[in-house]
Amino acid sequence: DIQMTQSPSTLSASVGDRVTLTCRASENMGNWLAWYQQKPGEAPKLLIHRASTLESGVPSRFSGTGYGTDFTLTIDSLQPDDFATYYCQQYNSYLRGFAFGPGTKVEIK
Amino acid sequence: EVQLLESGGGLVQPGGSLRLSCAASGFGFHAHAMSWVRQAPGKGLEWVALIDTAGQFSYYADSVKGRFTISRDNLQSTLFLQMTSLTAGDTALYYCAKGPTAASALLEDWGQGALVTVSS
Repeated sequence: DIQMTQSPSTLSASVGDRVTLTCRASENMGNWLAWYQQKPGEAPKLLIHRASTLESGVPSRFSGTGYGTDFTLTIDSLQPDDFATYYCQQYNSYLRGFAFGPGTKVEIK
Repeated sequence: EVQLLESGGGLVQPGGSLRLSCAASGFGFHAHAMSWVRQAPGKGLEWVALIDTAGQFSYYADSVKGRFTISRDNLQSTLFLQMTSLTAGDTALYYCAKGPTAASALLEDWGQGALVTVSS
């Protein structure tokens, strides 16, 4: 199976900060990478697909970059609503599963 | 508005079976791949299974292969997950999720989940 890792596991930040989350795949997956946000007690929400394409309605302070094995999610000017856990997922390896990363929790500093 | 409503969760003994359902509305169910994703208490997300629009192709995580079966009824706009030989490791909140196209594992809409607890 393709392995996904994320760092850091927890990130402490303040409102207004610029934060960068990292996701790494064990092998080249092109740009078939998605980012999800999950708040406590809620279902996950798709933020970004194809590594950098923002979903409709997602604030422009969110951005994604990367290709191959290394990807980043950046949140410019962190807002109170952004404190959540973020997961990356590869979604194109049909015979080897569509693994999620273990998540990065963004918490209030 | 897309709505996905899971049902069928509950308490089951180790070795037992359970069938989850996901009733879909607000979109053309027959035109979208569907997936199940689970989340153990306090843990991260784990993709479980995917089925294409016609139910012709299905894919499973290694952890459930041979024990779980994903299926769909396009006339009733309902997704299913038949789970057998359940163990404590299968205890989780099970989400159904909708893909954007016929066979995509991207998860653009999610239900609120059905809780499955495996315990004696």
